[in-house]
Amino acid sequence: QLQLQESGSGLVKPSQTLSLTCAVSGDSISSTRYSWSWIRQPPGKGLEWIGYIYHTGSTYYNPSLQSRVTISLDRSKNQFSLRLSSVTAADTAVYYCARGGVLIPFDYWGQGTLVAVSS
Amino acid sequence: DIVMTQSPDSLAVSLGERATINCKSSQSVLYSSKNKSYLAWYQHKAGQPPKLLLYWASTRESGVPDRFSGSGSGTDFTLTISSLQAEDVAVYYCHQYYSTPPTFGQGTKVEIK
Repeated sequence: QLQLQESGSGLVKPSQTLSLTCAVSGDSISSTRYSWSWIRQPPGKGLEWIGYIYHTGSTYYNPSLQSRVTISLDRSKNQFSLRLSSVTAADTAVYYCARGGVLIPFDYWGQGTLVAVSS
Repeated sequence: DIVMTQSPDSLAVSLGERATINCKSSQSVLYSSKNKSYLAWYQHKAGQPPKLLLYWASTRESGVPDRFSGSGSGTDFTLTISSLQAEDVAVYYCHQYYSTPPTFGQGTKVEIK
C-alpha cells in the first residue's frame, strides 16, 4: 500500500524559505509511470497545485509560483522535496504531497502539514 | 490555464436524497484519440487529505460506494450522490488533469438539511 508522509518546519518567518519533504513508501519514486506533486490549501480556500516532478527529475511548476519554487528528488531516500522562497503570510497553508498530476489524477495523498508564515 | 467552475458553491440535502454537483471547464478536457475526459472528483473532509472518488469523469476509484457516480464529457461534468449519507458531508472538488497546470474547481460544500 502506497503511503506518503510530509515533514518539515511548521513555522517559517516572512521572507525566509519554506522546506518540506515527502517520504514515499510502497512504491518507488523512480517509477516511470508517475509524477509526484505538491498541492496546498490556504485556510478557508480551495486547492492549489504547486508543481510536480517526474522520475527523470524534470519539473513543472505553477506559473503563479514558478519564480519561488523548487521541487527535487532524492532517489536514495525515496522522497521528494519542496522549497518555496521569500514566503509571505499568503503562503500559510496546509501542504500536501501526492502522486499524480500530469495525465493521471492525484490518487494517493499525504496527510498534509500546516505551515504558518509568521514572525 | 483551464479554469474549472463548480456549481453550486454549497448545497444542503436531506439524508437519503440526491445531491448533484456540476463542474464546467473553460476548454475541453476530452482526449479525442483515447475518448477519455481527463476529469476527476475528490471528497475532502476536514482534517483529512482529499480522497479520489472518480477519474476519467465516471470511473469509480476502488472502494468508493456506488452511490457516487460521475457523468459528462468535454467541458460539462456532474457528480451525483444518489442517496446522501451522513458520512458524505464534505467539500467536493473537480480537477482537470488534461493539461499543465492541473487545476481544481473552487469546491462545493455538501451539508445535511
